[in-house]
Amino acid sequence: EAQVTQNPRYLITVTGKKLTVTCSQNMNHEYMSWYRQDPGLGLRQIYYSMNVEVTDKGDVPEGYKVSRKEKRNFPLILESPSPNQTSLYFCASSSVGPGGEQYFGPGTRLTVT
Amino acid sequence: KNQVEQSPQSLIILEGKNCTLQCNYTVSPFSNLRWYKQDTGRGPVSLTIMTFSENTKSNGRYTATLDADTKQSSLHITASQLSDSASYICVVSGYNFNKFYFGSGTKLNVKP
Repeated sequence: EAQVTQNPRYLITVTGKKLTVTCSQNMNHEYMSWYRQDPGLGLRQIYYSMNVEVTDKGDVPEGYKVSRKEKRNFPLILESPSPNQTSLYFCASSSVGPGGEQYFGPGTRLTVT
Repeated sequence: KNQVEQSPQSLIILEGKNCTLQCNYTVSPFSNLRWYKQDTGRGPVSLTIMTFSENTKSNGRYTATLDADTKQSSLHITASQLSDSASYICVVSGYNFNKFYFGSGTKLNVKP
């Protein structure tokens, strides 16, 4: 089954404690992206990757890091989480090109206290 | 500034009725426009993708229209069902078609 998986699905952590949210896709997609969704603000793009070792900033990259060492995986790293990073996070993947349909993961709900 | 505005913010309709959701955007140059359906607590699911040369696209009971001149799109839902209750999100890409701009969504509630 074609899918995007994220782990963990739920995470409560404290300010400053480094964490990683994993994302994996099994569709051999070149393009992967991370978004955060906040009430009233909609989805906002954090980082995206066109292929292995190719990443670029979205609209809200501050406080986040990503890496793309393998085609299927695109982890999101919060080196020093802060309460304003409490949000619902989605990973997505698609084939490259303007018509590539994006497939979203199930989401990771992160709370930073 | 690249923006995507959706209206209404929320909508309640009776099962079986039709409805139309609106999306206006300022993203320029324009590459493509997508409509997604998002159930509460789940990831968005693609409904339609339209490039600048397409002005209508259907997916079952969902029909999207696009006017690239006025930078407006609409999503028409025909014969609504209870399962249509969800948020509907309009997403626009510009010249860099891998960078996406999201509307804040229209929350649709279909009542029996």
